[in-house]
Amino acid sequence: QSALTQPRSVSESPGQSVTISCTGTSSDVGGYNHVSWYQQHPGKAPKLMIYDVSRRPSGVPDRFSGSKSGNTASLTISGLQTEDEADYYCSSYAGSYTFVLFGGGTKLTVL
Amino acid sequence: QVQLVQSGAEVKKPGASVRISCKASGYIFTSHNLHWVRQAPGQSLEWMGWIDTDNGNTEYSQKFQGRVAITRDTSASTAYMELSSLRSEDTAVYYCARARLVIPPNWFDPWGQGTLVTVSS
Repeated sequence: QSALTQPRSVSESPGQSVTISCTGTSSDVGGYNHVSWYQQHPGKAPKLMIYDVSRRPSGVPDRFSGSKSGNTASLTISGLQTEDEADYYCSSYAGSYTFVLFGGGTKLTVL
Repeated sequence: QVQLVQSGAEVKKPGASVRISCKASGYIFTSHNLHWVRQAPGQSLEWMGWIDTDNGNTEYSQKFQGRVAITRDTSASTAYMELSSLRSEDTAVYYCARARLVIPPNWFDPWGQGTLVTVSS
């Protein structure tokens, strides 16, 4: 099964908002509310930012929010800060055969 | 704090095997499953498989079926991932990541620091 589809890159100015999409199918994103998002800075391990579509782990700023409509999930970052510049990956449970899928990743530039 | 610490970088020849360890601390090892995910240079994340740390049951991605084995040593709070018949395309950073015990997994947190495996003749 193919990876989930994300835009390769997005850019926005500090203080603004940006939304990153993650498109799958009814067998993964659309079929389960187990979408999560990860932030990865260069040379570092991924960090959990959102799980179960829209839930935020403790310690993650409320500037980060998640949503889902049909087969597309979205991560919105408001009040962009320079430290938000990183790669972002979505992930979804994809059923008992495929199990877990990741998106291709989106490079966020805050300029 | 909850932490996963992985073994160091490896350089292997094509056809060889590699075994990476992932030592957990800061929580009860058998209360969470452990998954393995890899990331080739400049590429996205790829899920490989997971182990139920409580009973040792495993499940693998079809892509790696027959080449990967995930085990655990509960006395050492450590999980292992062994990948065999290595080829150049297996050059990647390999991560372990904690997940909830209940299936399906809905998050991976935290992740180990990653282990670079380089496959080269």
